[in-house]
Amino acid sequence: GAGVSQTPSNKVTEKGKYVELRCDPISGHTALYWYRQSLGQGPEFLIYFQGTGAADDSGLPNDRFFAVRPEGSVSTLKIQRTERGDSAVYLCASSSRTSDTQYFGPGTRLTVL
Amino acid sequence: SQQGEEDPQALSIQEGENATMNCSYKTSINNLQWYRQNSGRGLVHLILIRSNEREKHSGRLRVTLDTSKKSSSLLITASRAADTASYFCATDTKAAGNKLTFGGGTRVLVKP
Repeated sequence: GAGVSQTPSNKVTEKGKYVELRCDPISGHTALYWYRQSLGQGPEFLIYFQGTGAADDSGLPNDRFFAVRPEGSVSTLKIQRTERGDSAVYLCASSSRTSDTQYFGPGTRLTVL
Repeated sequence: SQQGEEDPQALSIQEGENATMNCSYKTSINNLQWYRQNSGRGLVHLILIRSNEREKHSGRLRVTLDTSKKSSSLLITASRAADTASYFCATDTKAAGNKLTFGGGTRVLVKP
């Protein structure tokens, strides 16, 4: 079956602009996660949804970052007033109610000029 | 912050040799998972081992877990050029829910 998909695969923007990154989880997966990975490092947790609600947003670095999952499926990560330090690969993962395994999408590479 | 630390940071071996990498973590865990990543993009899930398990196998992969030492190892037997990738361990804890905390990864190069 289809895995986790993310769009766009690459996004180049200018400092100060607003961006939206989309994640489409595996069908039927109730849990959805966002991580951010800087070059040469492991991914770092941003936010986790169980259904429509954010169960844990402790990893969001500041209030410029916001994520939604209005219908409990697709999620959008929104970044306002982007900064060069936001440049990274943004990874999305999903898992089912019966498994702890998280399945990752291909990521969106965000470059802020 | 990252809970896990992989060792070594980089590993270069010949095709057919075994590759072993280690992961250490700081707090008690619920599960430990190993992932592979090619070219800095999506992570591929390899194995999940629970805190009450000591060893798991999947094909050419063998994972061990020693909760007393707070460490895990991943062994790839009879390596292939296609195994060239970065390998990450990730832990989750009951206290922190399902979010994963990753180590910095081991970059493995398998030379043909």
